[in-house]
Amino acid sequence: KAGVTQTPRYLIKTRGQQVTLSCSPISGHRSVSWYQQTPGQGLQFLFEYFSETQRNKGNFPGRFSGRQFSNSRSEMNVSTLELGDSALYLCASSPSTREFYSGANVLTFGAGSRLTVL
Amino acid sequence: AQTVTQSQPEMSVQEAETVTLSCTYDTSESDYYLFWYKQPPSRQMILVIRQEAYKQQNATENRFSVNFQKAAKSFSLKISDSQLGDAAMYFCAYRKQGAQKLVFGQGTRLTINP
Repeated sequence: KAGVTQTPRYLIKTRGQQVTLSCSPISGHRSVSWYQQTPGQGLQFLFEYFSETQRNKGNFPGRFSGRQFSNSRSEMNVSTLELGDSALYLCASSPSTREFYSGANVLTFGAGSRLTVL
Repeated sequence: AQTVTQSQPEMSVQEAETVTLSCTYDTSESDYYLFWYKQPPSRQMILVIRQEAYKQQNATENRFSVNFQKAAKSFSLKISDSQLGDAAMYFCAYRKQGAQKLVFGQGTRLTINP
């Protein structure tokens, strides 16, 4: 079974540009979450999607947005990039079982997209 | 808001020895889940072990075990017979009942000395 696939793995942008990152969850998983990882702030929750609906959102400015498609693939977009947006962006998927909110429901992470803003 | 604290930014251990990584958390919830994730240089976050707060028995996965002290809000990870492949960043994480969002600690970088 293929894991969580994130593309692109690396990208370099300049301030003011926008970027779109893609995440393909494990087949059959309908929940996708996004996290930002930086040396200073650590791992911070961005959003959570389930069945194309945003269920939860972290404390990030409106420049950060996301969406989920009917095939459960998800994208996140960052507009008007700032230097501080340089980070590893991690996507995680989880199954939509009866134990959706139980400890049995574990997030599986992708390898991340490394964004550098110059 | 829930917080997770890992007080050891770095730890090192000799191969085949035992090491314990510390984690404390703060929550007013009674039902929640705790996790240890490992992030090697490849950046892939891998689940090491999980613990349901309602279970008194400490979780164990092969060489990995936890010491869960609910009253003290402590959740330490013990790695026995350390191997070179255990070298990684280790993150403690919390998730409350009814939510998918994980709250992570700052991480502990574990080095294994041959």
